[in-house]
Amino acid sequence: KNEVEQSPQNLTAQEGEFITINCSYSVGISALHWLQQHPGGGIVSLFMLSSGKKKHGRLIATINIQEKHSSLHITASHPRDSAVYICAPKGGSNYKLTFGKGTLLTVNP
Amino acid sequence: EAGVVQSPRYKIIEKKQPVAFWCNPISGHNTLYWYLQNLGQGPELLIRYENEEAVDDSQLPKDRFSAERLKGVDSTLKIQPAELGDSAVYLCASSPWRSGELFFGEGSRLTVL
Repeated sequence: KNEVEQSPQNLTAQEGEFITINCSYSVGISALHWLQQHPGGGIVSLFMLSSGKKKHGRLIATINIQEKHSSLHITASHPRDSAVYICAPKGGSNYKLTFGKGTLLTVNP
Repeated sequence: EAGVVQSPRYKIIEKKQPVAFWCNPISGHNTLYWYLQNLGQGPELLIRYENEEAVDDSQLPKDRFSAERLKGVDSTLKIQPAELGDSAVYLCASSPWRSGELFFGEGSRLTVL
């Protein structure tokens, strides 16, 4: 069983829709990253959070440490949001990140 | 401010040939990571440096892979000899001292024929 499970694996939406990507993990963590990777491009860190909620523009990330679950929300989705979104929890006592396989989001105009 | 710079962006070689990748982290970032990313998978850590010291190389296949970070700034990752299964994207990332923030380069895509 993977230590990090993301759902859905693939998501297709129409422009303007509200998007939710979920991440569940089985290890104790000190923080969790949400990353974005465009096709053929590098990875950009969107959020690092250890509790509660963070918001940046149309992106919102939440985490529930007790339930070992995090969500990434995109409001008013746009075709430029099309990318792979990766969840990466960071181990409690060290620096190690465990990466999920990613969620491929396609937003159609 | 310049981000993490990697080169080459793309490399195609025949199996058994050597290959090297270079990474220039963000200025002042003490921590440097090399990751391997296969298609459709998340990145996997190969090696982590704190300044010039390799503090975690447990996932680095040392029979064919080597890395160095002389002077604690730029780093190179070498594969010799390359095998077909080494085809992947090699990502470099850096982080300020004791910070959880990660900054990735664009990656070096290797194709081994």
